[in-house]
Amino acid sequence: DADVTQTPRNRITKTGKRIMLECSQTKGHDRMYWYRQDPGLGLRLIYYSFDVKDINKGEISDGYSVSRQAQAKFSLSLESAIPNQTALYFCATSDPLSAYEQYFGPGTRLTVT
Amino acid sequence: AQSVAQPEDQVNVAEGNPLTVKCTYSVSGNPYLFWYVQYPNRGLQFLLKYITGDNLVKGSYGFEAEFNKSQTSFHLKKPSALVSDSALYFCAVRDTGAGSYQLTFGKGTKLSVIP
Repeated sequence: DADVTQTPRNRITKTGKRIMLECSQTKGHDRMYWYRQDPGLGLRLIYYSFDVKDINKGEISDGYSVSRQAQAKFSLSLESAIPNQTALYFCATSDPLSAYEQYFGPGTRLTVT
Repeated sequence: AQSVAQPEDQVNVAEGNPLTVKCTYSVSGNPYLFWYVQYPNRGLQFLLKYITGDNLVKGSYGFEAEFNKSQTSFHLKKPSALVSDSALYFCAVRDTGAGSYQLTFGKGTKLSVIP
């Protein structure tokens, strides 16, 4: 089984809808991250969490919110989706013992029409 | 602030030839440097990292990277390219001097290995 899983893998939604992307990990890491990937822009950090009670905004948090339900679960929500949120979204975890090397999920391809 | 640049959007190389994917970085302290690879419809996979020690780092799939502090570079190399190496490659940096616990990623370089 994959160490970092994301659901759904693909989603098409309409403008204005609320949507939640979920991430689960079995690596036992405290630190979790949400990124979005756009062609030519690389990966940009949306939110990150160092533990259940510690959530921080990243580079591009506007229009997004997160919830850390447990050490293993970190969800990303789009309260009112808009077309420019169409992107590939990745969840990642990291371990201080490996110099914060990050481990990525398979990604969620989100399309907002 | 930490930053990383990948000056080439795309690199084309013939199968069997050596390949180089370039990366330069900017940090205030000592860098931790990483290379990741992304195959189509997949997440990012770790290739190798530089923390300290030997400037030549060896990683997965025959890749290696050379840390050059004076040129603030961390170029990814492989002696003989395979068609299966075709993918998107990302360089990332963490600035230990700034107390940062996050990675900053470059914009990616698409590597195409031509049969």
